[in-house]
Order: sequence, then structure tokens, then C-alpha cells
Amino acid sequence: EDQVTQSPEALRLQEGESSSLNCSYTVSGLRGLFWYRQDPGKGPEFLFTLYSAGEEKEKERLKATLTKKESFLHITAPKPEDSATYLCAVQAGFSGGYNKLIFGAGTRLAVHP
Amino acid sequence: GAVVSQHPSRVICKSGTSVKIECRSLDFQATTMFWYRQFPKKSLMLMATSNEGSKATYEQGVEKDKFLINHASLTLSTLTVTSAHPEDSSFYICSATLTGWDTEAFFGQGTRLTVV
Repeated sequence: EDQVTQSPEALRLQEGESSSLNCSYTVSGLRGLFWYRQDPGKGPEFLFTLYSAGEEKEKERLKATLTKKESFLHITAPKPEDSATYLCAVQAGFSGGYNKLIFGAGTRLAVHP
Repeated sequence: GAVVSQHPSRVICKSGTSVKIECRSLDFQATTMFWYRQFPKKSLMLMATSNEGSKATYEQGVEKDKFLINHASLTLSTLTVTSAHPEDSSFYICSATLTGWDTEAFFGQGTRLTVV
């Protein structure tokens, strides 16, 4: 069964304290791994797509990496505005002809001044 | 990125009534739209996949007669929660892709449904 597990469930950081979020996955035929940011009461906001092991992508203070079993979202020198829930999702092969996303439960990040 | 608009953002309805939620792709034609449900501090759970002009494909355990999905045009999909009950209260989110095989999905802002 395809599965996505994110850790930690919640993370509290001081402003400037770098850290990493983990997304472990078990899927049959990974087509893509996605990172989204979700603010309270809002829909997910797209951050990155990774397609193959070894791939890395960066955007401002965020950097996403991918291996065959997991992905990391590294946050360098975070600011309070980076506080949000970060969701990881995978697209695994075809299911009924459509690319469904399987989401992890997310990591709730709180960055304090 | 492409814009997906969801309306309303919040709705409160009485138990037994029906509620319709709209999902529109504003600057692209979305062949495929997805409807998710999210409980507090939980992951997004896919409810159904709708393809323009055809019947929606529902995930296991989702009641087709309870959650009616219509995708009548390339820019609009609707989710109707029929005979709503308090347990249907949740955060509903739609997403859209250009085709069912696109790897990037664009999400709406979500709709907070409260059934009283």
C-alpha cells in the first residue's frame, strides 16, 4: 500500500535556527514528490516537485532533496513568516488513469522571534 | 502558477440541508479536478476525481449519493453535500490539473463547512 509519513509532527524553532523536515514514502513507482505549504484555513501552496533520487531544488530559505526512500525539506535561518504546516505528497504511477496525490499528515512548524 | 478559486470560503448550514461548493480554474482549462477533505491537524484525504464531461470516480468509503460532484465545463467543478449532518463538518479543498496526467496540481483556498 502506498504510504507517506512525515516527521516530526510539530517543530518549534527560534528565528535563525536551521532544521530539516522529513518525508518518508513507500510507493509503487514514484512519478513525483511534492512539497506544499499550508497556512491555517487555506489551501496548500505549491513549493517544489522532485522527480528522481539525487534531485535538489531551492527557493529562498527552503531546499528540498530526494532519495529513493525519503525527502527532506531543509529550512535555513527561518523567520516567523515561515511558520505554517508543510505537506509532502507523492504521485505513484497511474490509478484509474489519473495521477492521484497521496499526502502525509504534515509537519506544523512554528518559528519564534 | 495557475489560479484555482473556491467558493464559498466558509459556510454554515442547518442539518438536513444541502450545500454546494464551487471550484473554478481561472486562467486555465482543467480537464481533471480533485476534491479533498481535511480534518483538523490531519492530512488531505482524496474524496473523488472528476473529469470534465464524465462521471466522477469516488474513493473507497466515500458515499456517492452524499457527495455529488459535477464537472460540467473545463473551468468549473461543484461538490454538493446533500442532507448534511454535523459529521460532514470539515474543510473541503479542490485542486485542478490541466490533464489527469499532469504532475502539478493547483489548489483552491478551501471551504470550511459547519453543519449545525
